[in-house]
Amino acid sequence: GNSVTQMEGPVTLSEEAFLTINCTYTATGYPSLFWYVQYPGEGLQLLLKATKADDKGSNKGFEATYRKETTSFHLEKGSVQVSDSAVYFCALAYNNNDMRFGAGTRLTVKP
Amino acid sequence: NAGVTQTPKFQVLKTGQSMTLQCAQDMNHEYMSWYRQDPGMGLRLIHYSVGAGITDQGEVPNGYNVSRSTTEDFPLRLLSAAPSQTSVYFCASSETSGRTQPQHFGDGTRLSIL
Repeated sequence: GNSVTQMEGPVTLSEEAFLTINCTYTATGYPSLFWYVQYPGEGLQLLLKATKADDKGSNKGFEATYRKETTSFHLEKGSVQVSDSAVYFCALAYNNNDMRFGAGTRLTVKP
Repeated sequence: NAGVTQTPKFQVLKTGQSMTLQCAQDMNHEYMSWYRQDPGMGLRLIHYSVGAGITDQGEVPNGYNVSRSTTEDFPLRLLSAAPSQTSVYFCASSETSGRTQPQHFGDGTRLSIL
C-alpha cells in the first residue's frame, strides 16, 4: 500500500546549521507530495508541495524536490533559525481521501 | 479570517461517556475531514466529507460518527468513549478533494479517556 517513511527524530541543530529531513515513499502512480509543519499547540500548516516528478517545492527557505527515481522528497534548509523548531510531516496524496502522513520528525534549533 | 475552528481544545471523559467535537470552517471549502494524531504514527483519517450531506469512512472509523448538514460544520461524535480513543484530534478542510489541494488544519482537540 501507499506509505511514507521519515527519518526518526528528534533532530537537534545549532542556529545557522544545514537541515536535511529524509522522506521516502511507496506508491503506485503519481501522487502529490507535501511537507507540513506543526508548531507547539497548533495544527499542521502546509510548508510546501510538489505535484509531479522533478518539481521543486519551496517556501520560507525550505526546499524539497520530487524524485521519482529514488521515491524521495527530502526537506532541506540552508540555515535554520530557532523559530524553525517544530515537528515536520511528510505526506503523499492521490486525493485527500487517501492522504498518508509520515510519523513526523521533531526539530529543535538551539541558539 | 478564522480558517478552521475546533472546540473544545481539551476534554477529559470517562469510559462510556459520549461527546461531540465541533469543527467549523469559514472558507466555503467542499472537503472536510477528521484525523487523529497518535505518537509515532502520524495522522490517520477517521471520516471525511466531500460536501454537505455526503460523508464516508477513512482508515480508522470505528467508534466515531459524523454528519455534514451544512458546508461550514463537520462535528465528530464519540458514541461510547474508550481509552484507546485518547488522542489529539484534528479537523481539516480543502477546496476540493483533489490530489493537489493542500489541507487547512484546526488547532486540535486533546482528548483523554479515563
